[in-house]
Amino acid sequence: GQNIDQPTEMTATEGAIVQINCTYQTSGFNGLFWYQQHAGEAPTFLSYNVLDGLEEKGRFSSFLSRSKGYSYLLLKELQMKDSASYLCAVRDSNYQLIWGAGTKLIIKP
Amino acid sequence: ETGVTQTPRHLVMGMTNKKSLKCEQHLGHNAMYWYKQSAKKPLELMFVYNFKEQTENNSVPSRFSPECPNSSHLFLHLHTLQPEDSALYLCASSQDPGSGTDTQYFGPGTRLTVL
Repeated sequence: GQNIDQPTEMTATEGAIVQINCTYQTSGFNGLFWYQQHAGEAPTFLSYNVLDGLEEKGRFSSFLSRSKGYSYLLLKELQMKDSASYLCAVRDSNYQLIWGAGTKLIIKP
Repeated sequence: ETGVTQTPRHLVMGMTNKKSLKCEQHLGHNAMYWYKQSAKKPLELMFVYNFKEQTENNSVPSRFSPECPNSSHLFLHLHTLQPEDSALYLCASSQDPGSGTDTQYFGPGTRLTVL
């Protein structure tokens, strides 16, 4: 079966750096997405990776290793507003999005 | 603002009621989706419409009935729901579901409670 694993919850301190991991086993691979979802709000698109390596976008970076079935989202200079759930999703060979259950990130002052 | 709106934002209904959820996208996309989001579970894809045609129905019970009159509007008609149907229902849209880079944009969801 297809599966996306990510930690259920993480805690970090304001101003610090946090890495949220995502591992996947899917039927084929056509890209990996990260979304941010604040409580009670819409998931919003953060990043897309299809090639191995690091994609940087301001304070947020996303890394992909296709051979290891692994990605991470790196958040730098954490702010209180970064408290949210982070969803990892992989597009499989049928172009279906397979979703992880999300990682709830709690930022403490 | 993501360009996808949903109404109502909250809905409480009894098991014998009939209600409808509405979604509208202002992004000029061709595809629209309904998802169910339950606490601590992955998003569950329910239905996909591409150019108004239903292309995906992931074994969703018939008490959920989708309608897509045009590429900008999507409805989910609800009747005789069960308490386990209580969840956040998310609508999304995208340009081309057959493309690897296709990105889905979500509405804020309808929080549904079935009593």
